[in-house]
Amino acid sequence: AQKVTQAQTEISVVEKEDVTLDCVYETRDTTYYLFWYKQPPSGELVFLIRRNSFDEQNEISGRYSWNFQKSTSSFNFTITASQVVDSAVYFCARKAAGNKLTFGGGTRVLVKP
Amino acid sequence: SAVISQKPSRDICQRGTSLTIQCQVDSQVTMMFWYRQQPGQSLTLIATANQGSEATYESGFVIDKFPISRPNLTFSTLTVSNMSPEDSSIYLCSVEGPGPTRYFGPGTRLLVL
Repeated sequence: AQKVTQAQTEISVVEKEDVTLDCVYETRDTTYYLFWYKQPPSGELVFLIRRNSFDEQNEISGRYSWNFQKSTSSFNFTITASQVVDSAVYFCARKAAGNKLTFGGGTRVLVKP
Repeated sequence: SAVISQKPSRDICQRGTSLTIQCQVDSQVTMMFWYRQQPGQSLTLIATANQGSEATYESGFVIDKFPISRPNLTFSTLTVSNMSPEDSSIYLCSVEGPGPTRYFGPGTRLLVL
C-alpha cells in the first residue's frame, strides 16, 4: 500500500509560535491529489487545502501556508503565529487513481495560551 | 461544497445491539463513503456506496457487520451490527465534489458498553 506518513504525532507550542507539520507520501502515480484536513475536538473533519501533482506552486492563505515538493514527496503545512483555536488534529491525505483516499496518522497540535 | 448531516451525533449502546447511522446530503451525489475512526487513530474507509448497487467494502469490513443502504442520491445509512466495545469509534459519512475533494459530515460518536 502506498503510505502517507506524518512523523510527528504531537506538537506543543505556545501561542504566537509558528508550527510546521510534516507529510511524506508514497506514490507510483503521475497524477494525484494531496490534501490537508483539520479535526478540532468536536470531531468534524474540515477540509483546508488541495494540491494536484502538477501544481507545485506553494500557497499562503492567511496564517496558513503549504510547501509542496514533488522531488522529496513532501507536502508540509505551516501555521504562522499560532492561536489556541488552532489546537486540533491535522491529517494529510493523498488521492490517486480510483477513489482511494489515504490518510496519514495525524498530528495533534496543542497551542497553549 | 455539499452540506452533510448525520444522525445521531452520538450514542451509547449496549453490547450485542445494532445502531443505524443516517447521512443526508443537500445535493445529489454519485458516491457516498463511510469511514471509521477508532480512538486516537486515523480514518479508515469502510465502504463506498453507489445508488442502485451493492456497496463496495474494503478489506477487513463485511456486509453482515456493516450493512449499508443507498436508496437515493442524497441519503445513505450505515448499520453497525451486533456491536462490541471494539466498535466504539467515530463514524463519518463523506461525499466527493465538486472536483476531487472529499468532504465529511460531522460524525457519529459511538460508545459501546
